[in-house]
Amino acid sequence: DAGITQSPRHKVTETGTPVTLRCHQTENHRYMYWYRQDPGHGLRLIHYSYGVKDTDKGEVSDGYSVSRSKTEDFLLTLESATSSQTSVYFCATRGRWDQTYNEQFFGPGTRLTVL
Amino acid sequence: TQLLEQSPQFLSIQEGENLTVYCNSSSVFSSLQWYRQEPGEGPVLLVTVVTGGEVKKLKRLTFQFGDARKDSSLHITAAQPGDTGLYLCAAHNNNDMRFGAGTRLTVKP
Repeated sequence: DAGITQSPRHKVTETGTPVTLRCHQTENHRYMYWYRQDPGHGLRLIHYSYGVKDTDKGEVSDGYSVSRSKTEDFLLTLESATSSQTSVYFCATRGRWDQTYNEQFFGPGTRLTVL
Repeated sequence: TQLLEQSPQFLSIQEGENLTVYCNSSSVFSSLQWYRQEPGEGPVLLVTVVTGGEVKKLKRLTFQFGDARKDSSLHITAAQPGDTGLYLCAAHNNNDMRFGAGTRLTVKP
């Protein structure tokens, strides 16, 4: 268990409002990821980080931004939430970039509803 | 179009039956992973396969990586209700990880 927490666990918000989700890890893992999970699509990568202040876009990054000012925290921000961003969001971490140790550890998820 | 296509999408069987689920792609991967996800939780890694043709066993679960490293299968022998969950395959694509849409398995007692 990689000690990953996500906050909040549930959130209901209105269209057009900003939303920030937080991922916190205690394992000093270098890599962190934000995914969204929707029926029929599985997990889709939004953004990822390969170190403090180093981030890159994933498959579905439009409408999202991220920041990583410390190793342990990775924030996902929806600048102006839309109903299409209603989803379950998962944070994940990974310790080392080699094929033997590329296991990702996932947090418990945040269920976001945009009305 | 998904990079990884999983089939079937849904599978409902009786306890004691055997089953196989598939993960297919047109791309070649250096490794492929299988995760299981239970309701309300994040996915948990079951296995990583690396070598083409590799077979790994985890109790009643048998994982195989295709010879060409483009596909994989998961076979469960004598399924139990505790095997119920969403089974996801995943592979590295450049610098990120891509997941299939998953197979949702229900094992009825």
